[in-house]
Amino acid sequence: EADIYQTPRYLVIGTGKKITLECSQTMGHDKMYWYQQDPGMELHLIHYSYGVNSTEKGDLSSESTVSRIRTEHFPLTLESARPSHTSQYLCASSDAQGNEKLFFGSGTQLSVL
Amino acid sequence: QKEVEQNSGPLSVPEGAIASLNCTYSDRGSQSFFWYRQYSGKSPELIMSIYSNGDKEDGRFTAQLNKASQYVSLLIRDSQPSDSATYLCAVNGDAGNKLTFGGGTRVLVKP
Repeated sequence: EADIYQTPRYLVIGTGKKITLECSQTMGHDKMYWYQQDPGMELHLIHYSYGVNSTEKGDLSSESTVSRIRTEHFPLTLESARPSHTSQYLCASSDAQGNEKLFFGSGTQLSVL
Repeated sequence: QKEVEQNSGPLSVPEGAIASLNCTYSDRGSQSFFWYRQYSGKSPELIMSIYSNGDKEDGRFTAQLNKASQYVSLLIRDSQPSDSATYLCAVNGDAGNKLTFGGGTRVLVKP
């Protein structure tokens, strides 16, 4: 059973606010990812990390930033939220040994008014 | 051209029938292939992985890989209404060890 947690599950916030989406995993996985998914649409990779102090931008341009100070924690921050940021944000992790089997958190549904 | 392509569906199958889902990919150097199931409003969960040509069976699921033709498929035997979901094909490309997801195929199993 995967142990990867995201908070909050739902977030409704006004334009211009700074927000941080939390993601933590207790599996000791080195690799962590943030995906963005709109309803009925495909997953888009926006950030990933292969270990502590390692962060990279994904395939989809995003105004968000991430940090990886601890192995288990990979928060995503939006400095100034806009309605275009409304989406579902999914965090995932995988074992650095390869195979790229991703374990997903339950997601954060963000609505920016 | 998308790197990983799937028919968006919906694929409607009667209960008890076989659902057949296809996925093609563009990166010939891809090594790992996965099928994820995603229920509406939920996050994806891994149901199958396959790494070499041929068939791999797990319960009612069979994954088939043909690297020469660059396609991977998923068969769901004895389909149940609980199988109604979107099935995502994911491919680990040759560079970067990042998974690329297809757009998913929505499956509807009708009682």
